[in-house]
Amino acid sequence: DVKVTQSSRYLVKRTGEKVFLECVQDMDHENMFWYRQDPGLGLRLIYFSYDVKMKEKGDIPEGYSVSREKKERFSLILESASTNQTSMYLCASTTSNQPQHFGDGTRLSIL
Amino acid sequence: QQQVKQSPQSLIVQKGGIPIINCAYENTAFDYFPWYQQFPGKGPALLIAIRPDVSEKKEGRFTISFNKSAKQFSLHIMDSQPGDSATYFCAASIGNSGYALNFGKGTSLLVTP
Repeated sequence: DVKVTQSSRYLVKRTGEKVFLECVQDMDHENMFWYRQDPGLGLRLIYFSYDVKMKEKGDIPEGYSVSREKKERFSLILESASTNQTSMYLCASTTSNQPQHFGDGTRLSIL
Repeated sequence: QQQVKQSPQSLIVQKGGIPIINCAYENTAFDYFPWYQQFPGKGPALLIAIRPDVSEKKEGRFTISFNKSAKQFSLHIMDSQPGDSATYFCAASIGNSGYALNFGKGTSLLVTP
């Protein structure tokens, strides 16, 4: 069974801090994704990666960056956290012709 | 802009009823249409998916109907149960499921006993 693990379920940070959200998958998937989920807005794609050290911008990349140094790990970085980045963050992974498998999310609050 | 439009935003049905959730898209290059189910505190999980070469797909009590000419697809839940209460998302992508998904805004479904 595919397991996508997000390092924190809940995180509280202050405005201006640099924030790291970590995601690890155990199925050797090439493709990994970061979404944010907000009530009434659904899931919106922030960044994705099709291979180690590769990254592509999604629909809302502003204020975020990512890192993929190892195939199993995909990190989302908030360079200088702001209150409008308070949200639920979801990581997903997949390989060709397989459904995307999601982690259980990190609920991030920026004070 | 939202590439997949989903309605309704919320839905309440009685046990045994047939909730229907509708989605519409504009990009004719989309060729993979999954539905995800999300329970509180959990990530979304794939429920059922369809490609545009078929007009209907059933898996258990869940059915996707697909209208390529109208660029619409919908989810029907037969004999709905309280355990089906969840948020449902439709999505679309170009190519196979390994590519980035464009999600609808979600429908919160409540099935009352």
